[in-house]
Amino acid sequence: NAGVTQTPKFQVLKTGQSMTLQCAQDMNHNSMYWYRQDPGMGLRLIYYSASEGTTDKGEVPNGYNVSRLNKREFSLRLESAAPSQTSVYFCASTGWQGQETQYFGPGTRLLVL
Amino acid sequence: AQSVTQLGSHVSVSEGALVLLRCNYSSSVPPYLFWYVQYPNQGLQLLLKYTSAATLVKGINGFEAEFKKSETSFHLTKPSAHMSDAAEYFCAVRAGGYQKVTFGTGTKLQVIP
Repeated sequence: NAGVTQTPKFQVLKTGQSMTLQCAQDMNHNSMYWYRQDPGMGLRLIYYSASEGTTDKGEVPNGYNVSRLNKREFSLRLESAAPSQTSVYFCASTGWQGQETQYFGPGTRLLVL
Repeated sequence: AQSVTQLGSHVSVSEGALVLLRCNYSSSVPPYLFWYVQYPNQGLQLLLKYTSAATLVKGINGFEAEFKKSETSFHLTKPSAHMSDAAEYFCAVRAGGYQKVTFGTGTKLQVIP
């Protein structure tokens, strides 16, 4: 049971390049989330998916798109990266194991030059 | 609307001393409250959570937190700090689904030998 996995771990992009961050969970959870973490700002929700086939905007969705490919996988795409998108990105999922709990992946560190 | 305030972005304690990390919240509905720990280059890990069952909540690694409605506080404590407790700690409040979780800005705990 790997929990929540993310790829890549690190990425450097040039302004205007595109990339997709991958996330997968093997806990059979319905809900998945993408957050970004910036110094002094805590975590902010970019997008979430309450169930397979649905996605909704979070607090900071501009510049991002998401795809809930199946129940396991939830990807985040940057179509045209900007320096303001330099951040650490975390994927998470929630499910019931006795009580509802949120689990986080190890993060993807993205630097946009 | 909901918010979380963590007092002190950096806290230093001596090994063996009491750890006290402060969190105050605001919420228009009865909240769920969380403390997470983040070790360097890792994702967030749940320490403990308050779900209205008991005001004193015990978590992993010897941490506990007390929900005080009158003070709108949920401070995290540990009687005796260990070197392995050095990490960043996040308080979070949830009023609704997990897509409505608001994270604090974090407190970095330094443990001095």
